[in-house]
Amino acid sequence: EDQVTQSPEALRLQEGESSSLNCSYTVSGLRGLFWYRQDPGKGPEFLFTLYSAGEEKEKERLKATLTKKESFLHITAPKPEDSATYLCAVNSGGSNYKLTFGKGTLLTVNP
Amino acid sequence: GAVVSQHPSRVICKSGTSVKIECRSLDFQATTMFWYRQFPKKSLMLMATSNEGSKATYEQGVEKDKFLINHASLTLSTLTVTSAHPEDSSFYICSAPRLAGVEQYFGPGTRLTVT
Repeated sequence: EDQVTQSPEALRLQEGESSSLNCSYTVSGLRGLFWYRQDPGKGPEFLFTLYSAGEEKEKERLKATLTKKESFLHITAPKPEDSATYLCAVNSGGSNYKLTFGKGTLLTVNP
Repeated sequence: GAVVSQHPSRVICKSGTSVKIECRSLDFQATTMFWYRQFPKKSLMLMATSNEGSKATYEQGVEKDKFLINHASLTLSTLTVTSAHPEDSSFYICSAPRLAGVEQYFGPGTRLTVT
């Protein structure tokens, strides 16, 4: 059974204070690791898909990296508008694209 | 812009009635869509996989007779909550994979309140 563990559960940063969120996973065979951002009362917003260890992707102040056991979402010089819940999910294959989600990290960036 | 839409965004219904929620992929075809339920401050719980042209696949513990899923076309899946009860009140979200699963997009969600 696929398992995804995110840490920390909550993180408070000051504006400009860079940090990282962690996503540890256990799957039988990774087909893709997904990062999403979710604002309160809204559906998750797609950020990145990573496929193989060593892969990195960037978008504005966010950079996602992947190893064989975990993924990191690095946030550089965050702004208050980066405050949200960040969700990590894995797809372990099969003919469908079912995702297994972690519980998320609630990020709060104070001005 | 949004690639997956849901309708309605909010619905309030009385106990015992049925409610239909639509999920549409806007600029791509989706033979598979997923329905999730999310409780306050909790992560997404997969309810079922909607398959175009065949029956939906339900996760363990999800009542298929209560949560009816119909994948009417390559761009539309519907979730009907039958004989709704207050405990069915929740945030329901659908998703659709695109580009052979390289990307998976979520709808904006539907807030269901059963009184």
